[in-house]
Amino acid sequence: DTAVSQTPKYLVTQMGNDKSIKCEQNLGHDTMYWYKQDSKKFLKIMFSYNNKELIINETVPNRFSPKSPDKAHLNLHINSLELGDSAVYFCASSQDPGGGGDEQFFGPGTRLTVL
Amino acid sequence: SQQGEEDPQALSIQEGENATMNCSYKTSINNLQWYRQNSGRGLVHLILIRSNEREKHSGRLRVTLDTSKKSSSLLITASRAADTASYFCATVKGSGYALNFGKGTSLLVTP
Repeated sequence: DTAVSQTPKYLVTQMGNDKSIKCEQNLGHDTMYWYKQDSKKFLKIMFSYNNKELIINETVPNRFSPKSPDKAHLNLHINSLELGDSAVYFCASSQDPGGGGDEQFFGPGTRLTVL
Repeated sequence: SQQGEEDPQALSIQEGENATMNCSYKTSINNLQWYRQNSGRGLVHLILIRSNEREKHSGRLRVTLDTSKKSSSLLITASRAADTASYFCATVKGSGYALNFGKGTSLLVTP
């Protein structure tokens, strides 16, 4: 029973294309996140959603648009893909503790390669 | 920036030895967390230490936090080959609870 799942695991596409990455969590958590890990393994927050509402948008280009149809899903749509978008994208979730953050559960990652 | 910085960047030890990784950060925090990432995998939460705690243990892991020095350390005792992974410290950033990661320490444990 996967707690946080992402699809696809690998995504290879051409520059200029539009693609989506899906994320689902079955933990009943209130908050979901998207992180980007670059080739040097540096992880950076992109978005944070709490109960389907956007909480954090960390200076991510408008080409990236998260969509949360319900509390268990947070999808990431990317328009007009660029070479620099190549990275591993991780979805994560956490319970909303109301007290300053809690452990996060990460999905297996989606390795995006833009050619 | 609240970014954590791990030290060393890479560490190579033999099985049975202890591994110590350090993390520094810049601003006040709610808590500090350590994560492990095996090659090609997602991150796994190891331990969380709150700003009012100084030390925490979990199995072979020991974490310390010094808020006056804005630093934390992760000690893995009696290391095993299976401990080979990248280890990241992360601080909680603002009210959105997003994690602010350091650059990680790559640990190699050889049999």
